Amino acid sequence: DAKTTQPPSMDCAEGRAANLPCNHSTISGNEYVYWYRQIHSQGPQYIIHGLKNNETNEMASLIITEDRKSSTLILPHATLRDTAVYYCIASFTGGGNKLTFGTGTQLKVEL
Amino acid sequence: NAGVTQTPKFRILKIGQSMTLQCAQDMNHNYMYWYRQDPGMGLKLIYYSVGAGITDKGEVPNGYNVSRSTTEDFPLRLELAAPSQTSVYFCASSYGSVYGYTFGSGTRLTVV
Repeated sequence: DAKTTQPPSMDCAEGRAANLPCNHSTISGNEYVYWYRQIHSQGPQYIIHGLKNNETNEMASLIITEDRKSSTLILPHATLRDTAVYYCIASFTGGGNKLTFGTGTQLKVEL
Repeated sequence: NAGVTQTPKFRILKIGQSMTLQCAQDMNHNYMYWYRQDPGMGLKLIYYSVGAGITDKGEVPNGYNVSRSTTEDFPLRLELAAPSQTSVYFCASSYGSVYGYTFGSGTRLTVV
């Protein structure tokens, strides 16, 4: 799996968009980008994933650069409940779809 | 649907004891996983399974064993518990490749 680099922490005001960056400059053509989050000590929660195209679901949007070397997770209207550790993972889907979690970005949403 | 159910939620073991962490899913997912998470760290894969009767090692398998006799259940066995196995254990399942994982709520294990 390609190595990903994320800032260790970010702050965001409630109601504003939270833009979480991820660098995966060594990603290969068949590796997807996945985003998960972990609220306090709960089990991680799947957010979104993509290969090349931008993706959107009810939770977030995923913007992947054309060269696929970086991506941004966008939470359009962050709330206090979005405070969590966000993990960006680049992974080849074969071989059991195993995911390697790094230390992620601690997002703190404040009033 | 219950999703992924892990039992117990908490457990204290003495060094050298053994135990089984239970994991069950009711989503008919083919893939199942066991991760451990030490304080302040990311999750590390212990074992995984792509279907009943098939298991394989992850990044940190030493000291653990698994079995997958049914699609629903994926128990993790700790033999001869050691303090280094103090951690939070998460079980997850997925329908297959290119699908997101559903995680359980975790088992917090302390070995003293």
